Amino acid sequence: ETGVTQSPTHLIKTRGQQVTLRCSSQSGHNTVSWYQQALGQGPQFIFQYYREEENGRGNFPPRFSGLQFPNYSSELNVNALELDDSALYLCASSFSSEQYFGPGTRLTVT
Amino acid sequence: QKEVEQDPGPLSVPEGAIVSLNCTYSNSAFQYFMWYRQYSRKGPELLMYTYSSGNKEDGRFTAQVDKSSKYISLFIRDSQPSDSATYLCAIGHSNYQLIWGAGTKLIIKP
Repeated sequence: ETGVTQSPTHLIKTRGQQVTLRCSSQSGHNTVSWYQQALGQGPQFIFQYYREEENGRGNFPPRFSGLQFPNYSSELNVNALELDDSALYLCASSFSSEQYFGPGTRLTVT
Repeated sequence: QKEVEQDPGPLSVPEGAIVSLNCTYSNSAFQYFMWYRQYSRKGPELLMYTYSSGNKEDGRFTAQVDKSSKYISLFIRDSQPSDSATYLCAIGHSNYQLIWGAGTKLIIKP
């Protein structure tokens, strides 16, 4: 196990709703990245936070937003959910070059 | 054309066989080449990474990069049933802003 935990494990939401996903980083890791993995696809980079500041962003709209807290845990918020947002959401924490992934949160939008 | 192409498989081989997994990419400026393994209901786990052309070996695993052909490979020797998983290549400009392949599902038959 990597020491990165995510909650909840599964979530079902209705189109138009808002959702918050949580990630607890591995101890000592000050960087967290979030990814979206659709079924049968590789992960897509959403954004990265370093010491509570957004440090890079992929090709995702502003309704995807995040926070990193002083203890380096983080949240991914998605507003105005769309059916295509259904996916596995992964967070990965790192201190240098290697990222350690959590098990993911499976989000289903109906 | 996708920036990173990977055959989704499934690839089924007998135990003990040598496995060859491959990805092609289109951007010659990419410098980070990574291979991840993902078991069902788990996040990806980094297997190997390299920043240059040539071979890199780690136990039963060998990563090969050919920048002139924009082609990377992962070889697994003496394959075991526990190697059954989805293998993802990830290529990019940094260790987090990566373009991921769709993953190849590998099945090792006892």
